[in-house]
Amino acid sequence: GIQVEQSPPDLILQEGANSTLRCNFSDSVNNLQWFHQNPWGQLINLFYIPSGTKQNGRLSATTVATERYSLLYISSSQTTDSGVYFCAVIMYSGGGADGLTFGKGTHLIIQP
Amino acid sequence: KAGVTQTPRYLIKTRGQQVTLSCSPISGHRSVSWYQQTPGQGLQFLFEYFSETQRNKGNFPGRFSGRQFSNSRSEMNVSTLELGDSALYLCASSRGTSGSTYEQYFGPGTRLTVT
Repeated sequence: GIQVEQSPPDLILQEGANSTLRCNFSDSVNNLQWFHQNPWGQLINLFYIPSGTKQNGRLSATTVATERYSLLYISSSQTTDSGVYFCAVIMYSGGGADGLTFGKGTHLIIQP
Repeated sequence: KAGVTQTPRYLIKTRGQQVTLSCSPISGHRSVSWYQQTPGQGLQFLFEYFSETQRNKGNFPGRFSGRQFSNSRSEMNVSTLELGDSALYLCASSRGTSGSTYEQYFGPGTRLTVT
């Protein structure tokens, strides 16, 4: 099946810093999503971005489908940005898809 | 529009028992998927339902099953619970006939502890 690798696994930054999280995937995908998992376990949708660039406030994301990677940018980090960020993909093969395949996540800690 | 809801939020069961978890998707969404999250294996796909039919299934034993009702609400059942079934179970809903290619929205999860 498709493989998803996220880097770095852990990231510790000071409040106000910028960060870039990377997601590499092993095959062409039909769906790519970025999530932030809050301390209570819920996955919060950040971006649905199988290709192209999107921005939402301090967050932006870029997916280069032909090169099989996606980047999540967080600018002017705040302590509330702390948590685990997941990239997840689906490769839809006509007969169906096996759900989202998740990377192992990037654990981000923003220190005040 | 209300989000995905899951009940119960927390559950403690004894090894060998069975458990049923419930998920109500976003209004108008017809696809419901279930995922298991554990510290060791991460987030893994269990199965997906669309129009009361299981369309796809992940690599889990037959003790894990589910169903979907005509109002798109879904339940998953785990029989003969094992200690390793302790996990956060997440439900996601999405719209459309090709549900897996649309954005998925997750519920708050059910945290199951098996003792």
